[in-house]
Amino acid sequence: QITLKESGPTLVKPTQTLTLTCTFSGFSLTYGGEGVAWFRQPPGKAPEWIALIYWNDEKRYSPSLQTRLTITKDTSKKQVVLTMINMDPMDTGTYFCAHTPVYCSGGSCYSDYWGQGTLVTVSS
Amino acid sequence: IVMTQSPATLSVFPGERATLSCRASQSITTNLAWYQQKPGHAPRLLIFAASTRAAGIPARFSGSGSGTEFTLTISSLQSEDVAVYYCQQYIKRPPERTFGQGTRVEIK
Repeated sequence: QITLKESGPTLVKPTQTLTLTCTFSGFSLTYGGEGVAWFRQPPGKAPEWIALIYWNDEKRYSPSLQTRLTITKDTSKKQVVLTMINMDPMDTGTYFCAHTPVYCSGGSCYSDYWGQGTLVTVSS
Repeated sequence: IVMTQSPATLSVFPGERATLSCRASQSITTNLAWYQQKPGHAPRLLIFAASTRAAGIPARFSGSGSGTEFTLTISSLQSEDVAVYYCQQYIKRPPERTFGQGTRVEIK
């Protein structure tokens, strides 16, 4: 059974760096095709795809955020870490990590198992 | 690329058909997914590749379309289907604005 869980701070100040950890089970992220993606969702709005890392360490980022984002994986710990620098109140929202079951040739991909999400508020 | 969903809100009697639309501003062939999201929960994958049901999804959910026009159909609406439904394209590079704005489905 695939599960994912996000962890990290619930409150960050503007200009600070956000570090979120996705701890997963039920897959290894070492086999061909698998990936872990991050999404975020401002309150009352649609989800936004923001980053993806594949089993082969290929990384993809949302163009509007890519200068602020870093995604890494540690398969021995079964974790994927997302770092976002220079946080702004507009970055407030629920952040989700999710399992991506296949390699998509496009930019993003669909995700079949999601974590419960973690609400991050950016405020001074 | 812009994904446009219609209508914004859909009210349907229990047991009746619900038809949701998603339009892409340029062709995405069949690189489209549909998700269901209930309040306080993560999105749930319903359909990928425009028409393939994800594991465990009831047969009353079906997807169709290709190119720029896509449809999610709930053949017989159940009370547990009340949710917001999103479409997501996953073909375009760069991967910007991948989701539509959502359709809220309500029981009439």
